[in-house]
Amino acid sequence: KAGVTQTPRYLIKTRGQQVTLSCSPISGHRSVSWYQQTPGQGLQFLFEYFSETQRNKGNFPGRFSGRQFSNSRSEMNVSTLELGDSALYLCASSSGTVKETQYFGPGTRLLVL
Amino acid sequence: GQQLNQSPQSMFIQEGEDVSMNCTSSSIFNTWLWYKQDPGEGPVLLIALYKAGELTSNGRLTAQFGITRKDSFLNISASIPSDVGIYFCAGLYTGTASKLTFGTGTRLQVTL
Repeated sequence: KAGVTQTPRYLIKTRGQQVTLSCSPISGHRSVSWYQQTPGQGLQFLFEYFSETQRNKGNFPGRFSGRQFSNSRSEMNVSTLELGDSALYLCASSSGTVKETQYFGPGTRLLVL
Repeated sequence: GQQLNQSPQSMFIQEGEDVSMNCTSSSIFNTWLWYKQDPGEGPVLLIALYKAGELTSNGRLTAQFGITRKDSFLNISASIPSDVGIYFCAGLYTGTASKLTFGTGTRLQVTL
């Protein structure tokens, strides 16, 4: 089985712009979660989508949003970028069942200038 | 955001030595996961634990789910240079769907 894929791998944006990141989960997985990783805050949960519905949400401002398509692929959007949004954005896929294990993609490295 | 207490923060050991790290939480979890992350890459799952008291091995790695459900331990036996990386614990409570809470990480460096 192919693993979790994320595109693009690297991105440079300027303050005020918006960005869209993409994640394709493992085939058959219906749950996609997004995390932000920074040196100061570590790995922080952004949100989770299951069957095209947001099932859980972390403590991030409304500038961070996401969606999931019928094929379980997910996108994450950040509007009005700030310098502090520079981070590694990771998505993880899981089957969404009781014995849940999350598998991570390689991440998208976002740099905001 | 919340992070679990993971210790030690970093370790510098010699090849062949055993390594132990642990993770504690003020909340209970139904699942504990251990990941390893190399620079610029996503975390790779090492071991998953689903039951309090469970002891699970994966090659030279052994992890335990604490009986209080608030802690977990990871041991690496006979370390080798490719064990270098950052190790994260993560707790999951099924009542919060798929929201993993991560530890602060243990940076492991191995010398020959």
